[in-house]
Amino acid sequence: GNSVTQMEGPVTLSEEAFLTINCTYTATGYPSLFWYVQYPGEGLQLLLKATKADDKGSNKGFEATYRKETTSFHLEKGSVQVSDSAVYFCALSTGGGNKLTFGTGTQLKVEL
Amino acid sequence: EAGVTQFPSHSVIEKGQTVTLRCDPISGHDNLYWYRRVMGKEIKFLLHFVKESKQDESGMPNNRFLAERTGGTYSTLKVQPAELEDSGVYFCASSQFGQGKETQYFGPGTRLLVL
Repeated sequence: GNSVTQMEGPVTLSEEAFLTINCTYTATGYPSLFWYVQYPGEGLQLLLKATKADDKGSNKGFEATYRKETTSFHLEKGSVQVSDSAVYFCALSTGGGNKLTFGTGTQLKVEL
Repeated sequence: EAGVTQFPSHSVIEKGQTVTLRCDPISGHDNLYWYRRVMGKEIKFLLHFVKESKQDESGMPNNRFLAERTGGTYSTLKVQPAELEDSGVYFCASSQFGQGKETQYFGPGTRLLVL
């Protein structure tokens, strides 16, 4: 079956620090990969996605590259801000129904 | 354009009671999904509607859970009778059909606490 493993949090960083949240996956077939973000008090929002190997998804300064050889989709940002504090979920989908398989989420706290 | 809405935002009930959650998808979205996050764990798929039909209900935990989507518009998820382990956040998501349109848009979730 499909599964997603992401690094456990919480992750605490100072503003302007470099961020990496690791995500690896196991899937049948060729999955699409996603990062969703949940800000405090809000629902899940799609942050970025990649649908095939070597694709790079990017949004709001965040990037992730679909690495088939290492089955990974690590999230990076060069300089985090306090407003990036949120829970980040790595996810994948396969097949026609497109149901999402999520990781456990990583809480990020950015301090001044 | 309105996003996915869910009602109620919070619900606290006692074990054995019944609770009904509602989801209104984005207008024109034929796909509707229910997910659940139990405290501290991953978000898990419950089921998928295409219009009014259940496409995949492989994630429904047991027969205490009943989902419907009347007329292919809004959806309800009823838990009867509720148990302690049903506590968690229930998310609804919707999407369109078509290549490149499969992004799922999520609602804010319903936080259910069973005492």
